[in-house]
Amino acid sequence: NAGVTQTPKFQVLKTGQSMTLQCAQDMNHEYMSWYRQDPGMGLRLIHYSVGAGITDQGEVPNGYNVSRSTTEDFPLRLLSAAPSQTSVYFCASSYADLASTGELFFGEGSRLTVL
Amino acid sequence: RKEVEQDPGPFNVPEGATVAFNCTYSNSASQSFFWYRQDCRKEPKLLMSVYSSGNEDGRFTAQLNRASQYISLLIRDSKLSDSATYLCVVTLYGGSQGNLIFGKGTKLSVKP
Repeated sequence: NAGVTQTPKFQVLKTGQSMTLQCAQDMNHEYMSWYRQDPGMGLRLIHYSVGAGITDQGEVPNGYNVSRSTTEDFPLRLLSAAPSQTSVYFCASSYADLASTGELFFGEGSRLTVL
Repeated sequence: RKEVEQDPGPFNVPEGATVAFNCTYSNSASQSFFWYRQDCRKEPKLLMSVYSSGNEDGRFTAQLNRASQYISLLIRDSKLSDSATYLCVVTLYGGSQGNLIFGKGTKLSVKP
């Protein structure tokens, strides 16, 4: 059972470089999202999508782009990496009725360091 | 501002102890409530939902107090394997992930 798959698990970037964090889910979930988790800050929503072709900004969207061309994939792009983007990134997916089920399925996380 | 507040801990308890965590939320329009568990360097996973009437799942009991705007999690007979960070999660109107608010978590450490 693959669930939510994130790649890469670890990445080191230099300031100004760009990269894409990949996320794929095989549960046919409509909703997908990206969070970052920093010590003392908890999980903060970056971008989310309620279906293919639809994306919206979360709490901390600056410096990140997303697209949702298929139900399965939701990549996160860092346009010009900054040290402030050093974090652990989690991709998550869920069924549409999140308010009832409350269950987000998370990937294992991607640890990004920007030097 | 949407906020969910938790005592960060850490709560250090011996095996077999009973421990309780509280979580307060500021938005009275909050609809649904959940507890997630996150092991060290792992992803969060749903532990249990919190229903208005309160609910149990084995050694875990969750309670909701809408009037005072807090939820609680009680763990009885703590096990070493309960050591983790417990995240309080609240949804506002609708089921969109944009309306899902995470607390910063309470760290529990169960000692032999």
